[in-house]
Amino acid sequence: QKEVEQNSGPLSVPEGAIASLNCTYSDRGSQSFFWYRQYSGKSPELIMFIYSNGDKEDGRFTAQLNKASQYVSLLIRDSQPSDSATYLCAVTGTASKLTFGTGTRLQVTL
Amino acid sequence: GAVVSQHPSRVICKSGTSVKIECRSLDFQATTMFWYRQFPKQSLMLMATSNEGSKATYEQGVEKDKFLINHASLTLSTLTVTSAHPEDSSFYICSVVLVSYNEQFFGPGTRLTVL
Repeated sequence: QKEVEQNSGPLSVPEGAIASLNCTYSDRGSQSFFWYRQYSGKSPELIMFIYSNGDKEDGRFTAQLNKASQYVSLLIRDSQPSDSATYLCAVTGTASKLTFGTGTRLQVTL
Repeated sequence: GAVVSQHPSRVICKSGTSVKIECRSLDFQATTMFWYRQFPKQSLMLMATSNEGSKATYEQGVEKDKFLINHASLTLSTLTVTSAHPEDSSFYICSVVLVSYNEQFFGPGTRLTVL
């Protein structure tokens, strides 16, 4: 069974700090890795995707992928209260089907 | 990214009735759309893959006769929940995929409440 696992949190970080969100996956055949942000009552919003091992940076966000360890993470620098949301990790194999983790709830405190 | 709309955003219906949810891709033609369901405090669960011009592909455990999917055009897919029951109350979300980048973009979702 394909699984994507995340710590449900909540992860609490002070404003301006770095938030580190982690995700592991069980299917070694997974090819694409995504991070989505979901505010309460809203649908997911794509933040970043990564395909290759290493780091990928986009503004305050950095995605890190380690296929050998089957691990993907998201770093949020200079965290803002507006970053408070649930962050969903998702992976795909073939056929573009996404398998989601249960999400990590992030709270950025003032 | 792709712009996706859903209608209605919220619907309340009586048990036993049918409800149709529309998903539209507004800025590009989508041969494939996905339908998800999300219960409170749970993650998204893929229900089915909607393919333009052919039958939808349902995930294991999803009743195809209860959740009817029609992908009649490259910009519209519909999900009809037939004979709805209170346990069908959930947040239904569609998505479109940009095949070249394997990215999915989600509609705003439809909150269904069955009384």
